[in-house]
Amino acid sequence: DAGVTQSPTHLIKTRGQQVTLRCSPISGHKSVSWYQQVLGQGPQFIFQYYEKEERGRGNFPDRFSARQFPNYSSELNVNALLLGDSALYLCASSDWRQGKSRTEAFFGQGTRLTVV
Amino acid sequence: AQSVTQLGSHVSVSEGALVLLRCNYSSSVPPYLFWYVQYPNQGLQLLLKYTSAATLVKGINGFEAEFKKSETSFHLTKPSAHMSDAAEYFCAVSIQGAQKLVFGQGTRLTINP
Repeated sequence: DAGVTQSPTHLIKTRGQQVTLRCSPISGHKSVSWYQQVLGQGPQFIFQYYEKEERGRGNFPDRFSARQFPNYSSELNVNALLLGDSALYLCASSDWRQGKSRTEAFFGQGTRLTVV
Repeated sequence: AQSVTQLGSHVSVSEGALVLLRCNYSSSVPPYLFWYVQYPNQGLQLLLKYTSAATLVKGINGFEAEFKKSETSFHLTKPSAHMSDAAEYFCAVSIQGAQKLVFGQGTRLTINP
């Protein structure tokens, strides 16, 4: 079975540009979450989407947005890139649904974004 | 709000020695607790999880952790370190019904031959 897949694996962008990162969840998983991991730190929660609706948002500026498609894949968009946006962006999927506990998040390999 | 503190950003042990990675949590409601491992240039892999069942949790690769409510701790241990255990380890907390994970800063484990 395929795990969580993310694309691209690496990306270099210039300050002020926009970037789109993609994530395909494990088959059957309807929940997708995005995390930002700056070098030397733990991952920070950005968004959770379930059934195409935003279910949670972390403390990130409006330059960060996301969406989920009918096939449950997801895109993370970041506008007006800053040097500080350089990080590993991780996508996680799970079979979470409202009221269900004890769900495990499965992480992809991540997209390494470098802003220059 | 939930938070996690990992004591020691870097731990170094000899091969065959005991591994102890410390994690303390803060949560206003009963927490779910997780340990993840991250190898260089890779994503996160779940080692083990506590979800209010047995307080001693066994995970993959010989790791285990004990939930101690009185100490708000969830320390990770392994009796005998192997060279392949060298990686970054993250403790994380969530609450029942929520998907959001709150991670600690991580502990880099180095194994000396």
